[in-house]
Amino acid sequence: SAVISQKPSRDICQRGTSLTIQCQVDSQVTMMFWYRQQPGQSLTLIATANQGSEATYESGFVIDKFPISRPNLTFSTLTVSNMSPEDSSIYLCSAGGQGGGNTEAFFGQGTRLTVV
Amino acid sequence: QQQVKQSPQSLIVQKGGISIINCAYENTAFDYFPWYQQFPGKGPALLIAIRPDVSEKKEGRFTISFNKSAKQFSLHIMDSQPGDSATYFCAASAGTYKYIFGTGTRLKVLA
Repeated sequence: SAVISQKPSRDICQRGTSLTIQCQVDSQVTMMFWYRQQPGQSLTLIATANQGSEATYESGFVIDKFPISRPNLTFSTLTVSNMSPEDSSIYLCSAGGQGGGNTEAFFGQGTRLTVV
Repeated sequence: QQQVKQSPQSLIVQKGGISIINCAYENTAFDYFPWYQQFPGKGPALLIAIRPDVSEKKEGRFTISFNKSAKQFSLHIMDSQPGDSATYFCAASAGTYKYIFGTGTRLKVLA
């Protein structure tokens, strides 16, 4: 199984600022994703982080608000830009495609963001 | 069509009882149906998963029942324990690791 580490685990930010969340996987994976989970709610996919190219965003999410990088097969970042209180949420990194017949997608522990 | 509908929203079960959570989907392209367990402050962890070519899969106290014609699947937790108290999410994907999640079920098992 893959171990996914996210940094920071939580943060409190001022509105109008930006926060970059890091996701590190302990093995190479083909696919990495970013999800948002609002308090007490389900997980909503923000985008697929593509290695070496622009991320693929889901409906309702745009690159200017959530720029994503994926420089290699084990690392990705998500930036939440120009934050407002509505961005307060848990942001989760997910990874899949380790190979070896593994079909599971793994999740990090999440980054709990509070915007004040 | 991309939605996965999950019920109930919350569930209270006595210790030793059976917990049942149901999910339904519309997209017939979905070919992988995992269940995730999430404890407060933690990320979701895979519990059990099934593909449409089987109708049931059992792992320990956890069983998935799958009805392809009805486009429904359910999680059964036998002999529920207080340590099973968590939020459970069903999910579905179509050939990728990109999941559509259900709305979640908050399970509380009473000691």
